[in-house]
Amino acid sequence: GAVVSQHPSWVICKSGTSVKIECRSLDFQATTMFWYRQFPKQSLMLMATSNEGSKATYEQGVEKDKFLINHASLTLSTLTVTSAHPEDSSFYICSLRLPGGNEQFFGPGTRLTVL
Amino acid sequence: AQSVTQLDSQVPVFEEAPVELRCNYSSSVSVYLFWYVQYPNQGLQLLLKYLSGSTLVESINGFEAEFNKSQTSFHLRKPSVHISDTAEYFCAVSDYDRGGYNKLIFGAGTRLAVLP
Repeated sequence: GAVVSQHPSWVICKSGTSVKIECRSLDFQATTMFWYRQFPKQSLMLMATSNEGSKATYEQGVEKDKFLINHASLTLSTLTVTSAHPEDSSFYICSLRLPGGNEQFFGPGTRLTVL
Repeated sequence: AQSVTQLDSQVPVFEEAPVELRCNYSSSVSVYLFWYVQYPNQGLQLLLKYLSGSTLVESINGFEAEFNKSQTSFHLRKPSVHISDTAEYFCAVSDYDRGGYNKLIFGAGTRLAVLP
């Protein structure tokens, strides 16, 4: 399977600042990446699907101007949480799907805490 | 819309006892089914998957799951659990159509706690 990394693994920021989270595919080129958020003791909720070279597709209820996604290369997708607030504190997980594949490979997650 | 129901939020079980984690899904089209495991503060790891063929699928660490189309279920079982199996388990479904692969829908998760 594919190896996915995320950076940083843990970040604390002040309310009102922006935070960028990176998701990298280390051994495969990924045309499609996914961003999820997970609140404590809850399931993963898909936020958006990131396609290389095109705009991301956001799920209903997810503010695209707040959660900026850039998939500029086949190995890197970034999620920027703009003007973060305490309610944005969550575990953010990315995954990728290989071309023609039918399963997703997940990164280790990034824990965001907004003070 | 697709949905996944994991009937048990927590399952405590003694070490070496058998366990079953239940999963039901709703879908009117062909599906792929997955079980993922999540250890504390980590991402998800694929445990096993059903795509087609044999309805009984197995993982390398002793788990198995059976796809039951008539009952729309994909329950996860292990005949003898270990302390190291303590984790959160997520059932997920994706559907596919002529357009190809669709997104994953996750259940709420089941926390398996293996007691010594």
